[in-house]
Amino acid sequence: DAGVIQSPRHEVTEMGQEVTLRCKPISGHNSLFWYRQTMMRGLELLIYFNNNVPIDDSGMPEDRFSAKMPNASFSTLKIQPSEPRDSAVYFCASSLGGPDYGYTFGSGTRLTVV
Amino acid sequence: GESVGLHLPTLSVQEGDNSIINCAYSNSASDYFIWYKQESGKGPQFIIDIRSNMDKRQGQRVTVLLNKTVKHLSLQIAATQPGDSAVYFCAENMKGGADGLTFGKGTHLIIQP
Repeated sequence: DAGVIQSPRHEVTEMGQEVTLRCKPISGHNSLFWYRQTMMRGLELLIYFNNNVPIDDSGMPEDRFSAKMPNASFSTLKIQPSEPRDSAVYFCASSLGGPDYGYTFGSGTRLTVV
Repeated sequence: GESVGLHLPTLSVQEGDNSIINCAYSNSASDYFIWYKQESGKGPQFIIDIRSNMDKRQGQRVTVLLNKTVKHLSLQIAATQPGDSAVYFCAENMKGGADGLTFGKGTHLIIQP
């Protein structure tokens, strides 16, 4: 089992550019979560998918953020346009049984917007 | 405000001693709790979980205690080892809630040789 795979591991971009983060959940897991981690705010849930359908996106900061899950093995988180305050580590996690079961996290994408 | 929080941001223990990491939660409807360990540069790693119908659960060298009366959760690590150095997070989820887990800010466990 390769675990949850995220790419890229690191991303440095200029303010105003579009950023796309990618996630491959564990095969067979039916729930996928995007989290953002900063020193000030800790781990924040951005959006949650169940069976590829977005269930709760109330954590998405604003319209600049969007997430998709076109199939059970792939999800993207897009920021357009990016801003310096978006700098953080973005984690993807997947779960077999929805939000009531432990998640498996990926290694994260460290995003720096300059 | 913060629905899940930790009493101490940093905990320093001697190698071989037992560690106790505490967590307070404010949502009495929470039904499921998890402890995660995060090492530098890595994603959080599942340690142990507990549901609200239990007050204690044991794993390998770890024990989670849940006190619903005072809404308190703790993680006990027996015979702490250097590899236990990490940030530990507690997380909660409401029963039947559609939301993901809500995480506390974390406690940094430092192991002294």
